[in-house]
Amino acid sequence: QVKLLQSGAALVKPGDSVKMSCKASGYTFTDYIIHWVKQSHGKSLEWIGYINPYSGGTNYNEKFKSKATLTVDKSSSTAYMEFSRLTSEDSAIYYCASGNNYGYWGQGVMVTVSS
Amino acid sequence: DIQMTQSPSSMSVSLGDTVTITCRASQDVGIYVNWFQQKPGKSPRRMIYRATNLADGVPSRFSGSRSGSDYSLTISSLESEDVADYHCLQYDEYPYTFGAGTKLELK
Repeated sequence: QVKLLQSGAALVKPGDSVKMSCKASGYTFTDYIIHWVKQSHGKSLEWIGYINPYSGGTNYNEKFKSKATLTVDKSSSTAYMEFSRLTSEDSAIYYCASGNNYGYWGQGVMVTVSS
Repeated sequence: DIQMTQSPSSMSVSLGDTVTITCRASQDVGIYVNWFQQKPGKSPRRMIYRATNLADGVPSRFSGSRSGSDYSLTISSLESEDVADYHCLQYDEYPYTFGAGTKLELK
């Protein structure tokens, strides 16, 4: 079955960067766009952007354009998101999602920004 | 950006109730609205896609509807497993945007 397996929780210092992964299985990796979503305070969701694994093309929410960098490694069916210049506002859970109409979600990565 | 105004933000419910949650889009998003269920510590689960389509494995007591710019998720005969947070998403125009969420709580 389709699975999106995300990397583990991260504790990072203000000003640092974090790179998280999303490994897809159970389908052809290049068939579906991968989206990234932020969930703050346990409730509201924000769309960060997407990457097309086939072309490498990306589309970012302007709010996250200077913050997030999306990449893929087709050889390992893995998508990555790097978040830079972290502040306390970036403490959140980050999800990858894929499939037609957002059918599949990873388990989420909790990022905590603290000195 | 398109605003998805979701209401109510929380609702106190009883088992067997019929529950309706609504998202109003600030501009036309056509059929491109999904509804997600999220339980504590879990990822969102797609319940309804393209406004009215029931996702695979979702009980038939869930339904989605559209009236103009208002999109609704209805749960008929609420069961205990339905107590969760619910989110709407518009994916007609970038940036995609979510509603603020609705928390269902048992009375």
